[in-house]
Amino acid sequence: DAKTTQPTSMDCAEGRAANLPCNHSTISGNEYVYWYRQIHSQGPQYIIHGLKNNETNEMASLIITEDRKSSTLILPHATLRDTAVYYCIVRVPTMIKAAGNKLTFGGGTRVLVKP
Amino acid sequence: DADVTQTPRNRITKTGKRIMLECSQTKGHDRMYWYRQDPGLGLRLIYYSFDVKDINKGEISDGYSVSRQAQAKFSLSLESAIPNQTALYFCATSLTVPPAGSYYNEQFFGPGTRLTVL
Repeated sequence: DAKTTQPTSMDCAEGRAANLPCNHSTISGNEYVYWYRQIHSQGPQYIIHGLKNNETNEMASLIITEDRKSSTLILPHATLRDTAVYYCIVRVPTMIKAAGNKLTFGGGTRVLVKP
Repeated sequence: DADVTQTPRNRITKTGKRIMLECSQTKGHDRMYWYRQDPGLGLRLIYYSFDVKDINKGEISDGYSVSRQAQAKFSLSLESAIPNQTALYFCATSLTVPPAGSYYNEQFFGPGTRLTVL
């Protein structure tokens, strides 16, 4: 799986958009970008994923650059409950059993949403 | 996510004791995983199982064993606990073939078990 680089931490004002960057310059053509988050002492939670097109769901939007070397997760209206560590992961989704399908979490970005 | 439950949620034990952590899921997923999380180290995979008869070691399986009693249950055992196994343990599930329109290869995590070995 390709390595990702994220800022260690960032603050965001409640009600404003939070833009979380991720660099993945060594991404290969069949690797997807996944975002998970982990609220303190809880299990990680899937947010969104994409290959090359921008994606949006009820939680967030994912913007992937045209060269796919970086992406941005956007939380459109951050709330206090969005305070968490956000992980950007690049991997090949696969049904092949031999791959194990494990998730490798790096350090992530610690996001603090302030009132 | 209440669909994946872990017991106990917290456990304090002594060095040398045998400990079992339980994971149950009602999601109907075929794949189950055990991870441990240590501060600053992210998640590391201990064991994973594709179905009841298919169990595989992850990157840090030494000192651990698992049992897949049924599709919905996956237990992690520490045969003789040691202090450096103090960590937060997570169980996760996923589908090999997700239904159309759902998230591909998404893993659902349990709430975690905080284990302290003295």
